[in-house]
Amino acid sequence: NAGVTQTPKFQVLKTGQSMTLQCAQDMNHNSMYWYRQDPGMGLRLIYYSASEGTTDKGEVPNGYNVSRLNKREFSLRLESAAPSQTSVYFCASEDKGSYEQYFGPGTRLTVT
Amino acid sequence: QKEVEQNSGPLSVPEGAIASLNCTYSDRGSQSFFWYRQYSGKSPELIMSIYSNGDKEDGRFTAQLNKASQYVSLLIRDSQPSDSATYLCAVNRGSTLGRLYFGRGTQLTVWP
Repeated sequence: NAGVTQTPKFQVLKTGQSMTLQCAQDMNHNSMYWYRQDPGMGLRLIYYSASEGTTDKGEVPNGYNVSRLNKREFSLRLESAAPSQTSVYFCASEDKGSYEQYFGPGTRLTVT
Repeated sequence: QKEVEQNSGPLSVPEGAIASLNCTYSDRGSQSFFWYRQYSGKSPELIMSIYSNGDKEDGRFTAQLNKASQYVSLLIRDSQPSDSATYLCAVNRGSTLGRLYFGRGTQLTVWP
């Protein structure tokens, strides 16, 4: 039982490049989330998916797109990376009954 | 006004002492409350959930909730150097299904 997994762990991009961050969970949770964490800013919600086939914007969605591929997988795409997107990205999934969220190990992204 | 506010810290306590971490929230309709621990360079780890007024104890950790005062706290008894981390308070407001609002965290250092 791996919980929430994320790939890659680290990534360096040049401005304008694109990439997709992958997330998968094996806890049979319906809801999944993408956050970014920056020093002094705390965790900020980018996008979330309440169930397979649905996605909604969070607090800071600009510059990102998401895909809920199936119940297990939720990906985050940066179409044209900018230095302001340098951050640590966390994926989380949520237990429906308790609203407890469980986080993946994170992706550390640097955009130069 | 920010939805969730924590005492900014940093908080420093000696080994064996009680560490007290505080959090206030703005939405009176909030229903679920969580404490996460985050070690430097790691992802947030859920340590306590609380849903009703009063105290909830789990080992050396006690969460306290007072909905009338819109206040939730975390007490760590017999603090250990391994407790040194940033503690995040998170609140589910109930009106937006499953969405957690995070405070910016309080950094705790426990010195031997």
